[in-house]
Amino acid sequence: GQQVMQIPQYQHVQEGEDFTTYCNSSTTLSNIQWYKQRPGGHPVFLIQLVKSGEVKKQKRLTFQFGEAKKNSSLHITATQTTDVGTYFCAGRRKLIFGQGTELSVKP
Amino acid sequence: EAQVTQNPRYLITVTGKKLTVTCSQNMNHEYMSWYRQDPGLGLRQIYYSMNVEVTDKGDVPEGYKVSRKEKRNFPLILESPSPNQTSLYFCASSPLTGGRQETQYFGPGTRLLVL
Repeated sequence: GQQVMQIPQYQHVQEGEDFTTYCNSSTTLSNIQWYKQRPGGHPVFLIQLVKSGEVKKQKRLTFQFGEAKKNSSLHITATQTTDVGTYFCAGRRKLIFGQGTELSVKP
Repeated sequence: EAQVTQNPRYLITVTGKKLTVTCSQNMNHEYMSWYRQDPGLGLRQIYYSMNVEVTDKGDVPEGYKVSRKEKRNFPLILESPSPNQTSLYFCASSPLTGGRQETQYFGPGTRLLVL
């Protein structure tokens, strides 16, 4: 069945360092969504990528969708303590979630 | 305010005692879904519903039931809870555009402990 793998599972960075999480699917995805979950909170939608090779930016966050539409990445430039949380990718068709990457940021 | 609500937020119960977790959305969304979140496993879909009276199994449906009698409500039923169903549960809803699911909006979560 369709699987979405996300790495790394945990990442601890110093404030100001960059951070990247990767999402890989065993099958071609029609689109991919990224969510952020703050500690103790619920997942909140960040962005959806649909096109092959698509790149979208939200301030310090850069999202990429692979050419083959089987992988995606989220890159955060110069992390801040407000970036702390778990980042999930989710690929459809049944919106299978990756395991998530928990980010901690040392001030 | 557009939102997804879940009740209860926290529940401690014992093995075998039937329970229901309610989920309600006020956005007129067609699609609703239940997930459980466990450490190291991320979010796993339990059941989903594309519309009223239309439900389907997700990845981990065993031990759960759902119903969708009204568009706004999607209760999750545990007929005979077991300790391995101890988890954090999220309900989510999203509109369907052209039959395609769009962004999901998540409820606040229900933390369940089965003793």
